[in-house]
Amino acid sequence: GQQLNQSPQSMFIQEGEDVSMNCTSSSIFNTWLWYKQDPGEGPVLLIALYKAGELTSNGRLTAQFGITRKDSFLNISASIPSDVGIYFCAGRYGNKLVFGAGTILRVKS
Amino acid sequence: NAGVMQNPRHLVRRRGQEARLRCSPMKGHSHVYWYRQLPEEGLKFMVYLQKENIIDESGMPKERFSAEFPKEGPSILRIQQVVRGDSAAYFCASSPRDDRSIGELFFGEGSRLTVL
Repeated sequence: GQQLNQSPQSMFIQEGEDVSMNCTSSSIFNTWLWYKQDPGEGPVLLIALYKAGELTSNGRLTAQFGITRKDSFLNISASIPSDVGIYFCAGRYGNKLVFGAGTILRVKS
Repeated sequence: NAGVMQNPRHLVRRRGQEARLRCSPMKGHSHVYWYRQLPEEGLKFMVYLQKENIIDESGMPKERFSAEFPKEGPSILRIQQVVRGDSAAYFCASSPRDDRSIGELFFGEGSRLTVL
């Protein structure tokens, strides 16, 4: 079936740093989405991308839909403590979304 | 404007019992999805329903699991004769129906099932 490879698996951030994560697949997707999940909560939609090459921002977040339609990245600029959590990429395949395994963002102490 | 409502938030069952998880979609949404999440893993698609119709159940185990979305009332995910491996968080999501927004799923807070 369709699989999304998300990297890195986890990372530590220091407040103010920029963060980058990406998602790749051997399959083509027509829509890419990025979600954030806090502990004990459901995923919350951050950004949705509908066209190959599309670059979309939402505040400090920027995401791009790769030209080949097989990848996407998410950047977070000037990170703040509340950015910690798990970030999931998801690709639309037919009627459903396929999710990556997530990137865990933790605060560097 | 209430979001996706799931209950119960936490459910404990002994092996062999039944678990019923409920989901009310966002107002105006007629499409419901159920996903399962194991600890430290991503979400795995289980089933996609519209009112009174199962559209895609390709992610649902063939035995013991069933889902419905009746004309009136919430969507129900039912797990019969639960086993320890069913312990997970079950998330419901809903979406409005148009082609562009089909990917924009809005998730509930999940129901966490623990099987003893």
